[in-house]
Amino acid sequence: QSALTQPASVSGSPGKSITISCTGSSSDVGSYNYVSWYQQHPGKAPKLMIFDVSHRPSGVSYRFSGSKSGNTASLTISGLQADDEADYYCSSYRSSSTLVFGGGTSLTVL
Amino acid sequence: QLQLQESGSGLVKPSQTLSLTCAVSGGSISSGAYSWSWIRQPPGKGLEWIGYMSHSGTTSFNPSLKSRVTISVDRSKNQFSLKLNSVTAADSAVYYCARFGPRDGFDVWGQGKMVTVSS
Repeated sequence: QSALTQPASVSGSPGKSITISCTGSSSDVGSYNYVSWYQQHPGKAPKLMIFDVSHRPSGVSYRFSGSKSGNTASLTISGLQADDEADYYCSSYRSSSTLVFGGGTSLTVL
Repeated sequence: QLQLQESGSGLVKPSQTLSLTCAVSGGSISSGAYSWSWIRQPPGKGLEWIGYMSHSGTTSFNPSLKSRVTISVDRSKNQFSLKLNSVTAADSAVYYCARFGPRDGFDVWGQGKMVTVSS
């Protein structure tokens, strides 16, 4: 099962914005709005940051936002803070009732 | 507040069966239209979805693992389980249990259980 495609790493300066892309296909991202994003700090379990493409769970900062265009979903983090430095994963529902994750993106706050 | 906790053997011999259980507390495993899922992460690598059992009892698995995976739910004990047979070193990973809803994502996670496959 092929993973969704994410850049291996991105970086940004404090206070700036970054965007992480998540590219799938017409079998997953392109056909379903069930795209979610997760933040994972070293040694910790992943934390849900965005669900349903663009919805934030209670308690997640407004600085995190999600969107989708065609087969590509995106996570944008604005006003970068040191604590945003982590790995980020996208996930999508896929045909045949399966799920798939992206390969993960390491965010460095410079 | 719903919490999940993985338990099981942290060391499994090659060719044997990996068995893990996820205890659900702070809520009922039978409430809501959620699926109960397993995800793993090899050391230094990304997340891999293993499979889930839905609230209706149907299962779905990662095609690459489907032939070796069983997921079951014990509603009387408020827990669900994973069995992965014929394991190799490539199955060594941190195994997470999580609650999943199509419109909610994986919204609740366990802390993870490291499982090493070695003789």
